[in-house]
Amino acid sequence: DQQVKQNSPSLSVQEGRISILNCDYTNSMFDYFLWYKKYPAEGPTFLISISSIKDKNEDGRFTVFLNKSAKHLSLHIVPSQPGDSAVYFCAPSNTGFQKLVFGTGTRLLVSP
Amino acid sequence: NAGVTQTPKFRVLKTGQSMTLLCAQDMNHEYMYWYRQDPGMGLRLIHYSVGEGTTAKGEVPDGYNVSRLKKQNFLLGLESAAPSQTSVYFCASSDPRGLNTEAFFGQGTRLTVV
Repeated sequence: DQQVKQNSPSLSVQEGRISILNCDYTNSMFDYFLWYKKYPAEGPTFLISISSIKDKNEDGRFTVFLNKSAKHLSLHIVPSQPGDSAVYFCAPSNTGFQKLVFGTGTRLLVSP
Repeated sequence: NAGVTQTPKFRVLKTGQSMTLLCAQDMNHEYMYWYRQDPGMGLRLIHYSVGEGTTAKGEVPDGYNVSRLKKQNFLLGLESAAPSQTSVYFCASSDPRGLNTEAFFGQGTRLTVV
């Protein structure tokens, strides 16, 4: 029962351009969505989140969009930088939801 | 600021051997998790705990056992290691009471079973 899907295993983008990472979920009970970033040989770290009462949340170069009717969220990085090269995981959650599940991840490579 | 600490960082086991991975957090978090990361599979939840003395199965619990005797520690045990358990293991903790339920991760344990 894969509740969270990131259908693009990898994405290559040139420095300065926009990176768009997508995530689909199936459980309509999710009401809080988090994105994590992971560098090689390190643990994942929290990047940005969005509550289901919003459809957009922005933090500097990072913006997350939520489409609840489509059960879809996306992470936009503008402008992309080489230091953004990492694996990105989406992780839906909700109040009282004890399990914390992650998507399969998208490996982003930003080339100079 | 130690956060989440995993011990050991690397280990090589022979098939059939046993070992315990230790996770310690100093943030007074109620929830703790064990994940494994494999190529193309993302982070898969093995077991989790919502408080001292409680544990529950995640997505891939077979071959693993856990214990949460103290709030700050979450142990992951492999009773009889198999090559299929070669992976990178991550521990995480979170506080469900806050508005932001982000999880904090350890640096990972790279386990190879030969």
